[in-house]
This record gives sequence, structure tokens and C-alpha cells, in this order.
Amino acid sequence: DAGITQSPRHKVTETGTPVTLRCHQTENHRYMYWYRQDPGHGLRLIHYSYGVKDTDKGEVSDGYSVSRSKTEDFLLTLESATSSQTSVYFCAIRIGGASGELFFGEGSRLTVL
Amino acid sequence: GQQLNQSPQSMFIQEGEDVSMNCTSSSIFNTWLWYKQEPGEGPVLLIALYKAGELTSNGRLTAQFGITRKDSFLNISASIPSDVGIYFCAGPPSGGTSYGKLTFGQGTILTVHP
Repeated sequence: DAGITQSPRHKVTETGTPVTLRCHQTENHRYMYWYRQDPGHGLRLIHYSYGVKDTDKGEVSDGYSVSRSKTEDFLLTLESATSSQTSVYFCAIRIGGASGELFFGEGSRLTVL
Repeated sequence: GQQLNQSPQSMFIQEGEDVSMNCTSSSIFNTWLWYKQEPGEGPVLLIALYKAGELTSNGRLTAQFGITRKDSFLNISASIPSDVGIYFCAGPPSGGTSYGKLTFGQGTILTVHP
């Protein structure tokens, strides 16, 4: 069974502060993703990674950066958090074949005051 | 980019009723996936569809890949309280290398009254 750990699970921060969310997987999957979930918008892709040090932007990447220095860890950074980045953030790994089936973590709820 | 539109946005039903929801796109999808998200959890894959016209079941859930490849349907028969959650359709963008990225619909929120 695929294992994903997201940390922190909950965070409250102030506008303008940096925030880093961590996604850790235990099964050596190549592809990892960060999505954000907001009411009425479903899940929207922020950034994704297709290997160590290989990352690319998704549809809502402005204000976010990512890094992947090891296969098992994918970090999402908000350099200067804004209230519009209050959301629930989900990390996912690709476990299917060509269909692109994703397995999701439990989410990190971020509140920016 | 490609967008998926789900309807209805929310449903309030009585236990035992059947449920139908759908997902449409203005462009063709080669795969349709249906996910369910329970409160406080990440989405979990329910059903995957790979061919136009395909009908696939998972217990009381049945999903269909539309013939036009621009839509998909999910039915739940004899609903029970644990069916509560948000149901998402999703699919990989067509054309080029997708790197496994998925586009998601906005979700259908299902509430089941005992």
C-alpha cells in the first residue's frame, strides 16, 4: 500500500511569512504532485515532479515554488504567504500506469491571516 | 486548459435512493477517473474507465465512459449514510506528455439522510 505523509497537517501563519509543506513517500514513486483544494474549484495542480530535481508548473503555480532533492521528498514553499493561499494542500503520487491514477495524502490545511 | 464540469454541484437524498451524477468536457478525454473524498481525507480512486462506451462497476457504484469521450457518468444504487462525501471526476489532459497530471472537476457534494 502506497504511503504518503504530509507535514504539517495544520498550520496557521501570518501574511508575508514563508511556509514550507513537506510530502514524504515511502515507495520510490517517480511522479509527485501538489494540488490545492478550494470550494467550488475542485483540485487544482500547483506543481509536479517527474524525478529528482525535475519539476514543472501546474495551472496555479504563481506564488509557489517546489523542490525535490530526494525521490522520497517533495517540498512546497510559499515564499511570502498571502490570504488567497489559505487552502487545503494535497500531495499525490502516481501509482497507476498510463491512465495517471493518483494516490493522495491526507492533506495539509493552511490558514493565512 | 481543459476543464471538467460536474453536475449537480450538490445532492441531498434519502438513504436507499439511487444517485446519478455526470461530468462533461469541451474536449476529448482518453481516460476517466472517479474519486471520492470523505471529510478530512484525501480523495480515493473509485473507478477508472479507459475506453469509450465502457461500463464498469465497483459494488453499488457504476460508471460509464461516454461514447463521445467528452463525458462520463457515475451512479450509486441504494445509497447508504457512508456514501456521504465529495465525488470528483478527473482525467489526464489529452495530447503531448501528461506526466500523469490530472484535471479535476469541481466535485459533487453528496449528503445522505438516514
